[in-house]
Amino acid sequence: EDQVTQSPEALRLQEGESSSLNCSYTVSGLRGLFWYRQDPGKGPEFLFTLYSAGEEKEKERLKATLTKKESFLHITAPKPEDSATYLCAVHSLNAGKSTFGDGTTLTVKP
Amino acid sequence: DAGVIQSPRHEVTEMGQEVTLRCKPISGHNSLFWYRQTMMRGLELLIYFNNNVPIDDSGMPEDRFSAKMPNASFSTLKIQPSEPRDSAVYFCASSGTAVGVGYTFGSGTRLTVV
Repeated sequence: EDQVTQSPEALRLQEGESSSLNCSYTVSGLRGLFWYRQDPGKGPEFLFTLYSAGEEKEKERLKATLTKKESFLHITAPKPEDSATYLCAVHSLNAGKSTFGDGTTLTVKP
Repeated sequence: DAGVIQSPRHEVTEMGQEVTLRCKPISGHNSLFWYRQTMMRGLELLIYFNNNVPIDDSGMPEDRFSAKMPNASFSTLKIQPSEPRDSAVYFCASSGTAVGVGYTFGSGTRLTVV
């Protein structure tokens, strides 16, 4: 069974203080690893897909990286508007669905 | 495209009443997913459909929950009878055949059962 564990559960940063969120996963053959952002009162919004170890994707202050066991979402010089819950999900080769982690709630203080 | 459309946005009902949540997926998407989100249990997959056919309903809590997808542009999730522990935010999501673009989620229905 596919498993996804995200850490930490919550992260508080000062504006400009860079950090990383972790997503550890177990799958029987990875088809794709996804990062989503969820704002309060809204549904998750797709950010990135990573397919294989060594791959990286960037969008503004966010960079996602992937190894065979985990993915990191690096946030460089975050701003208050980056505050949200970030969800990681994996889609295995034999599954017709994604398995989601519980998310990391990021708060960036000005 | 207006995205995935869910209705209602909020629903407050009394215990024992029937509740119906509705979803219109993105046109052209062939997979539809119903999720439930709570603080305690996070995002739980209830059921998903491929080409209007239910594929996996192992996440449906019990027989009080049922879901249908009569055509490619409409799905319902019904709870009968509702209980206070069903209170949660219910999301509908859809996706196309390309795995790489992830799911598109609706804005959710916040259900409160009193």
